[in-house]
Amino acid sequence: QVQLVQSGAEVKKPGASVKVSCKASGYTFTNYYMHWVRQAPGQGLEWMGRINPKSGGATYAQKFQGRVAMTRDTSISVVYMELSSLGSDDTAIYYCARGPTGVVAATLGYWGQGTLVSVSS
Amino acid sequence: DIQMTQSPSSLSASVGDRVTITCRASQSISSSLNWYQQKSEKAPKLLIYTASTLESGVPSRFSGSGSGTDFILTISSLQPEDFATYYCQQSYSTPDTFGGGTKVEIK
Repeated sequence: QVQLVQSGAEVKKPGASVKVSCKASGYTFTNYYMHWVRQAPGQGLEWMGRINPKSGGATYAQKFQGRVAMTRDTSISVVYMELSSLGSDDTAIYYCARGPTGVVAATLGYWGQGTLVSVSS
Repeated sequence: DIQMTQSPSSLSASVGDRVTITCRASQSISSSLNWYQQKSEKAPKLLIYTASTLESGVPSRFSGSGSGTDFILTISSLQPEDFATYYCQQSYSTPDTFGGGTKVEIK
């Protein structure tokens, strides 16, 4: 069965960076785009970007351009999301989620359990 | 970016009620509209994709309709496990934006 397992909670200081991992299993890793979505406390869902695990190419929401990087390691079926220059408004749960096969659209049928990133001085 | 507007932002309903949630896109998105259910900040669950296709395993009391800019999620007979927050999302163009959510509460 498809599983997405994310790394554990992080506490960071303002200005720091965080790198969250998402390990995929139960399917052919390179056949499905992986997306990242975040949710600030008590707020809605925000799409951050996506990565093509086959090529490594990534597309980011303009809001995060320049301070987000999505990468992957095909040898271990893991995608990473690194966010830099953290501010308090980056405190959120970060989710990885899998799209449908072979297309970029974010129809997200499988989600990781979420990783809480807290930014505080 | 395409803006997605949901209404209402919250509603109170009783078990057995018919519930409708509306989602409007700022421009035409054809049928590229998904609906998700989220409980207590657990990971969202895909309910409906391409506006009206029920995801496998989702109860048939959920249905979706619409195309272009206006979409509706209907729960035909609300069950206790349906009390949650519902989000629409367009997958027509990048960025794949979400609506603000509709919280369905117990009356």
